[in-house]
Amino acid sequence: AQKVTQAQTEISVVEKEDVTLDCVYETRDTTYYLFWYKQPPSGELVFLIRRNSFDEQNEISGRYSWNFQKSTSSFNFTITASQVVDSAVYFCALATTDSWGKLQFGAGTQVVVTP
Amino acid sequence: GAVVSQHPSRVICKSGTSVKIECRSLDFQATTMFWYRQFPKQSLMLMATSNEGSKATYEQGVEKDKFLINHASLTLSTLTVTSAHPEDSSFYICSARERRGQGYNQPQHFGDGTRLSIL
Repeated sequence: AQKVTQAQTEISVVEKEDVTLDCVYETRDTTYYLFWYKQPPSGELVFLIRRNSFDEQNEISGRYSWNFQKSTSSFNFTITASQVVDSAVYFCALATTDSWGKLQFGAGTQVVVTP
Repeated sequence: GAVVSQHPSRVICKSGTSVKIECRSLDFQATTMFWYRQFPKQSLMLMATSNEGSKATYEQGVEKDKFLINHASLTLSTLTVTSAHPEDSSFYICSARERRGQGYNQPQHFGDGTRLSIL
């Protein structure tokens, strides 16, 4: 069975603060993929990153960074110097090779950035 | 980049109506399409997997007679909510798996979703 846990329901920050979103996953597969998506109030899903289980390198893309730790089954996401436009729900998701394309989503974390 | 068009974006209709939602890959062939459902302030839950030319595979607890899926071509899948009732009101979103590369390297793209409201 697969599971993705995003324990933080909502995080509120003031603009320019950093915010870290936690994601813990469970799977018995040795090959799997982890994703982060952003869902703004308009509803569409915006793809942010895909990481496979063999690549533990951390990644930085502009103000976004991701920390993948297989030892703790975590794939955390940090927004540096947050902006109001970062306000959205962020989902972590997991896919395994035997069910590729079927994404198991976490519950999501609502990020509220106030000016 | 690859685009998935989902139509309509929003629909409001009376109870008992059947509603069809289209998911179309505009510039790529999709071997597989997926349909998700999202209730307000909840996560996305996979409803079914749609493969071109074959029957859809439904997740446990999803009524196949209620949610009819047709994947007639490599670029189009449709979800029909039959005899919709207020409890079917939800956000439905599709994704399409691009037919290139190897299995798990095939990119997946999401549509913008359909907000269904049944009165």
